[in-house]
Amino acid sequence: EVQLLESGGNLVLPGGSLRLSCAASGFTFSSYAMTWVRQAPGKGLEWVSTITGSAFSTYYADSVKGRFTISRDNSDNTLYLQMDSLRGDDTAIYYCAKDGPGGGFLGRFDPWGQGTLVTVSS
Amino acid sequence: SYEVTQSPSVSVSPGQTATITCSGDRLGEKHVCWYQQKPGQSPMLVIYQDNKRPSGIPERFSGSNSGNTATLTISGTQSMDEAAYYCQAWVSNNVIFGGGTNLIVL
Repeated sequence: EVQLLESGGNLVLPGGSLRLSCAASGFTFSSYAMTWVRQAPGKGLEWVSTITGSAFSTYYADSVKGRFTISRDNSDNTLYLQMDSLRGDDTAIYYCAKDGPGGGFLGRFDPWGQGTLVTVSS
Repeated sequence: SYEVTQSPSVSVSPGQTATITCSGDRLGEKHVCWYQQKPGQSPMLVIYQDNKRPSGIPERFSGSNSGNTATLTISGTQSMDEAAYYCQAWVSNNVIFGGGTNLIVL
């Protein structure tokens, strides 16, 4: 069974940094692209970033480009999201999700983790 | 930037067919996924590549995509189908989500 477990969410000051982790199990981690999607309280879904299975390519939404960095450790089956220069509108639940087969960015997310809450506030 | 639009809510009686639409410029030329999200839960993929169902998704869920509109159809809607539904398109290495449609089963 595929399992994704996010961690690292917390309350952080504007301008601060945070690193999220997503521990994966139940599949060959390096064979799949992985993605972060966020959801602000009471709002819809927003794609944040995707990294291919080999980590050769990364993709970012314009809203986080230059501030967030996605990475992965295929030896440890873990996905990361380094978030710097955090702003109030980054407040959201952050979900990690597995992409479709082949290792490339297919934009087909299944399954999703349970999410971790990031709150940016003074 | 590319946008897709969904109606905020759709109501349906139990046993009837629910139709949820997603509109965008030439959306039919792109692959569309649909996700179901119940309150307090993570989203779940119910349709990918316009009309394919992942393993474990009931046959009453179906999808289509043509022209400027993608459609999620739920036949024989059940109370357990009450949820928010999000369409999603993959566009030039970007992922675009619709604003979501709340399906109300009356």
